[in-house]
Amino acid sequence: GEDVEQSLFLSVREGDSSVINCTYTDSSSTYLYWYKQEPGAGLQLLTYIFSNMDMKQDQRLTVLLNKKDKHLSLRIADTQTGDSAIYFCAESIRTGANNLFFGTGTRLTVIP
Amino acid sequence: EPEVTQTPSHQVTQMGQEVILRCVPISNHLYFYWYRQILGQKVEFLVSFYNNEISEKSEIFDDQFSVERPDGSNFTLKIRSTKLEDSAMYFCAKRQENTEAFFGQGTRLTVV
Repeated sequence: GEDVEQSLFLSVREGDSSVINCTYTDSSSTYLYWYKQEPGAGLQLLTYIFSNMDMKQDQRLTVLLNKKDKHLSLRIADTQTGDSAIYFCAESIRTGANNLFFGTGTRLTVIP
Repeated sequence: EPEVTQTPSHQVTQMGQEVILRCVPISNHLYFYWYRQILGQKVEFLVSFYNNEISEKSEIFDDQFSVERPDGSNFTLKIRSTKLEDSAMYFCAKRQENTEAFFGQGTRLTVV
């Protein structure tokens, strides 16, 4: 079955880069996603990458995909206090209903 | 204006009672979902709904659960006889074919 793993906590200083890592087990993943959850809010899609890509950059966000190792990472450049949240990695493994399988989430704390 | 609105934001219920969680996807989309997140655990898929019927459900979605979209607007999750272990955050989501999923802010269900 599908299994998505993330480390639970990450602390960085304001202005530094954050790197949040995720591993998954299903090699038939089609899309891989990063969602952000702020306190009391829903899941906000930050970015996603199709499985035939290695990298995607979107302003301060860089997603790297190593399909051979089934490893996904999210790099946030110049991390700000407003980036403090829980970040979820998720995968979908087929088209159609595209159910998402989520990791446990990584709580990012940005220290001023 | 949020894409998906869930009500209530917090529901406290006694064990054995029925609860109905509501989701209002403002615009028309193809697929609708319920996910849940037990405190400290992963976001788990419960059920997907397409063309007014269940298209897929997980092992969690047993006979105690049901979903409806009775008036083409509200999308509801009913738990017939709540158990303590049903306490969780429940997220509604919607999407079109192979596009991002929009999540609601969640309903926190507490069963006492």
